[in-house]
Amino acid sequence: DTGVSQDPRHKITKRGQNVTFRCDPISEHNRLYWYRQTLGQGPEFLTYFQNEAQLEKSRLLSDRFSAERPKGSFSTLEIQRTEQGDSAMYLCASSLGGAGGLWNEQFFGPGTRLTVL
Amino acid sequence: RKEVEQDPGPFNVPEGATVAFNCTYSNSASQSFFWYRQDCRKEPKLLMSVYSSGNEDGRFTAQLNRASQYISLLIRDSKLSDSATYLCVVNGMRFGAGTRLTVKP
Repeated sequence: DTGVSQDPRHKITKRGQNVTFRCDPISEHNRLYWYRQTLGQGPEFLTYFQNEAQLEKSRLLSDRFSAERPKGSFSTLEIQRTEQGDSAMYLCASSLGGAGGLWNEQFFGPGTRLTVL
Repeated sequence: RKEVEQDPGPFNVPEGATVAFNCTYSNSASQSFFWYRQDCRKEPKLLMSVYSSGNEDGRFTAQLNRASQYISLLIRDSKLSDSATYLCVVNGMRFGAGTRLTVKP
C-alpha cells in the first residue's frame, strides 16, 4: 500500500500525559499536513511542512502541540500535557507542492483517534 | 467570520433529485478550490477541483464565483451512494465544516 499511513490508529491516554503520533506520507510528496477533526466538523488545519521546513502553524495551536518532519520524510505530532479537549481525530495528509501559490490534491491517512480520559 | 463557510445542512433528498451546495470564503486572494467527500468514519477524499471556468465530472458540476467569493457543487440524479459529507476546501488547507447529504430511496 503506497498511501498515507498513520500510527497508532487509536490512542487512549490519561489527562496530563504526553502522546506522539506518526505519519508516513506518500513517498514523492513534499508537502505534509496535520489536521484535527471533531464530530460534525471539518478538518481543522494545525500545521504543514514543505520538505523538512514547517511553513505554517495555526494560531489556534497551543504551545503544547509540536510537530517535526526530520529529513522531509515522515512526521511526528506531539501533544504534551494532554487535556480532555484534545480528544479528536488527528489526520495527516500529503501532497505535491503547487506552483505559483496553487495547491494540489491532498491524500489523507486514516487518522489517529485520540481519547483523553 | 470564518475563512470558509458552508451550507449547514443536513440535506435529505430522494434518489434522482438534484441538490446544490454552496460555500463562501473570506480571502479574496484565494486561488485553489476543491470539493472533498468524506464518508462516515473515513478520511476525506478528493471529489473534484474547482476551476475558474467551472467544471463537470459526470453528474457533478463545480463552479467558482470570484466576485461573490463562493464555490458551488451541483449533484444531478442523486444516488444512494452519494450519501456522505461534502467538504469545500480553499487554498488547500482551509476546510469548511461540511454539509451532510443523505439520499433516500
